Amino acid sequence: EVQLVESGGGWVQPGESLRLSCATSGFTFSTYRMHWVRQAPGRGLESVATIISNGDSTAYGNSVKGRFTISRDSSKNTVYLQMGSLKPEDMAVYYCAREDQTGSADYWGQGTLVTVSS
Amino acid sequence: DVVMTQSPLSLPVTLGQPASISCRSSQSLVYSDGNTLLSWFQQRPGQSPRRLLYKVSNRDSGVPDRFSGSGSGTDFTLKISRVEAEDVGVFYCMQGTYWPWTFGQGTKVEIE
Repeated sequence: EVQLVESGGGWVQPGESLRLSCATSGFTFSTYRMHWVRQAPGRGLESVATIISNGDSTAYGNSVKGRFTISRDSSKNTVYLQMGSLKPEDMAVYYCAREDQTGSADYWGQGTLVTVSS
Repeated sequence: DVVMTQSPLSLPVTLGQPASISCRSSQSLVYSDGNTLLSWFQQRPGQSPRRLLYKVSNRDSGVPDRFSGSGSGTDFTLKISRVEAEDVGVFYCMQGTYWPWTFGQGTKVEIE
């Protein structure tokens, strides 16, 4: 069974940093591109970052470029999102998602909430 | 970024009746390999998104056949042939042709 389990969310003040983790199981992690997608309270879905299967290439949404870094560790089947210079508008539930061969997310984690407030 | 525009944003429906959601993209979603990377997701209250359809009209495993997708280029439609109580939630279209992935605003389906 494919599982994606996010962790690391919490409350931080503006300007601070936080690292999210997404532990995966049930599939060959090293063969899939992975994504982080976020959802602000009561709002829609926004792509944050993606990393290809071997970790050699990454891409970011415009609103987080230069502040967030996505990475992966194939020895731990885990993808990370290092978030820096956090702003109140970064407050959201952050989902980890697996991209399949259809160019879409076939599996999603349960999400982890990041609160940015002074 | 590609803009995805859904309508309506709110859709009251009667149990057993059909429902339809429109999704339009600001650019053609035809990928370089000829596929159109348009997906539909359902998000039930308090849950993560769940994919229903991929590449416009292909149903995911376990998705009831009352859900269908159609369209091409920039205009797409999700149809529910007969709405059931478990269909309440917010439905999103998403394009995967260009980075970043972009989503429609969401259509909230509720039972009248």
